[in-house]
Amino acid sequence: GQSLEQPSEVTAVEGAIVQINCTYQTSGFYGLSWYQQHDGGAPTFLSYNALDGLEETGRFSSFLSRSDSYGYLLLQELQMKDSASYFCAVSSNTDKLIFGTGTRLQVFP
Amino acid sequence: DTAVSQTPKYLVTQMGNDKSIKCEQNLGHDTMYWYKQDSKKFLKIMFSYNNKELIINETVPNRFSPKSPDKAHLNLHINSLELGDSAVYFCASSPGGAETQYFGPGTRLLVL
Repeated sequence: GQSLEQPSEVTAVEGAIVQINCTYQTSGFYGLSWYQQHDGGAPTFLSYNALDGLEETGRFSSFLSRSDSYGYLLLQELQMKDSASYFCAVSSNTDKLIFGTGTRLQVFP
Repeated sequence: DTAVSQTPKYLVTQMGNDKSIKCEQNLGHDTMYWYKQDSKKFLKIMFSYNNKELIINETVPNRFSPKSPDKAHLNLHINSLELGDSAVYFCASSPGGAETQYFGPGTRLLVL
C-alpha cells in the first residue's frame, strides 16, 4: 500500500522560515509533489521532485531524499498569505497521485 | 480564460436524489481526474480518464458514474445520494504524469 505522514499543524510568524516534513511509503515511487490549498479554495501545484536534492522556486523550496523516503517543503520569508494547508503527494507506477493528510500552516503577524 | 472549470459550485440536495457535476478544461490535457475531499480535508482520487478512456476507478460505489464525452470534459453523475456523499468534489487535469495536476474550483455538495 501507500502511506504518507506529515504534521497536522505548523505555526510561525511573518518573516520566519518554516519546514514541513513528509515521509512516505510506496512501491514503484516516481516522485514527490507539493500542493497548497487555501481555505475554500482548490489545491494548487507548488513543486515536484523526482530526484534527490533541493529544488528552489522563489520563496519556496522542496527537498527529496529517495533513500530515506522523505521530503520537505521549505517556506522562507513567510507572509500572511502563506497561511494555508500544504499537501505532499506521491506519484508512482499506479498513475495515481496519493495525497497526505495535509499540514495546516498558520502565519501570525 | 479559466483553465479547469466545474459546475455547479454549490449543490444542496435531498437524500435519494440523482445529481451531476460537470467539468471542463481548456488546457489541452489528455488526463482528467475526480477527487473527493471530506470534512477533514483528506483528498482522495475517485476516477481518472486518459483521452476519454477510464484508467483509474478507486473502489467507488457504483452509484458514482463518470462520463467523458471528449478529452476536455469529464462529468460525474451520482445516483441515490447519501448523507456520506457530502463533500467537496474536485476535478483536475494533467498534461502527462499524475504529479502535476491543475484543479478546478470544486463543487461543494451537501446532502440533507
